[in-house]
Amino acid sequence: AQSVTQLDSHVSVSEGTPVLLRCNYSSSYSPSLFWYVQHPNKGLQLLLKYTSAATLVKGINGFEAEFKKSETSFHLTKPSAHMSDAAEYFCVVSVAGTYKYIFGTGTRLKVLA
Amino acid sequence: EAQVTQNPRYLITVTGKKLTVTCSQNMNHEYMSWYRQDPGLGLRQIYYSMNVEVTDKGDVPEGYKVSRKEKRNFPLILESPSPNQTSLYFCASRSNSENYGYTFGSGTRLTVV
Repeated sequence: AQSVTQLDSHVSVSEGTPVLLRCNYSSSYSPSLFWYVQHPNKGLQLLLKYTSAATLVKGINGFEAEFKKSETSFHLTKPSAHMSDAAEYFCVVSVAGTYKYIFGTGTRLKVLA
Repeated sequence: EAQVTQNPRYLITVTGKKLTVTCSQNMNHEYMSWYRQDPGLGLRQIYYSMNVEVTDKGDVPEGYKVSRKEKRNFPLILESPSPNQTSLYFCASRSNSENYGYTFGSGTRLTVV
């Protein structure tokens, strides 16, 4: 069965330092994977998606994620955090053969000045 | 502008008083879904619809109803709300392909007292 685990519920970084948000997935098939961002009092916005093309996926606002099949991971990174990156981030896996998405429980990113 | 519109944004109601949260999308998407978001639980799917007149239960359907009479609209109905339905609700839509991400509405914060 498909599942997704976000390894950190909270991450704090200083402005200008790298961001790493970790996500592991479990899937019997080659999955589609997504990262979404939710700013306070807003809906979720798609950051990037992996759909079995290039393993390094670039998204909006300088974020990228690397699909590593051997590690069943899809970690989200950004070289330099900005104050506006403070938000909650969700890793999502699609369930092969269905239209169902499974959401992780979220990682709240705090950016310190 | 491509968007999913939910109304209302905020709603406080009393136990047992029927309510409807509306959702409309202008992207001609086949697939629409309702989620609830609760702290520490991520997003959980309530109901989804793959097309007009085709709806099915998600992971937490108890206490909710939906209908899909037109492609653009997917209202969520709480026939007899209870306090455990206090939550943040999101409507989302996407094309009928696993590889496409959702477009989310801005959310409806419901409080049942």
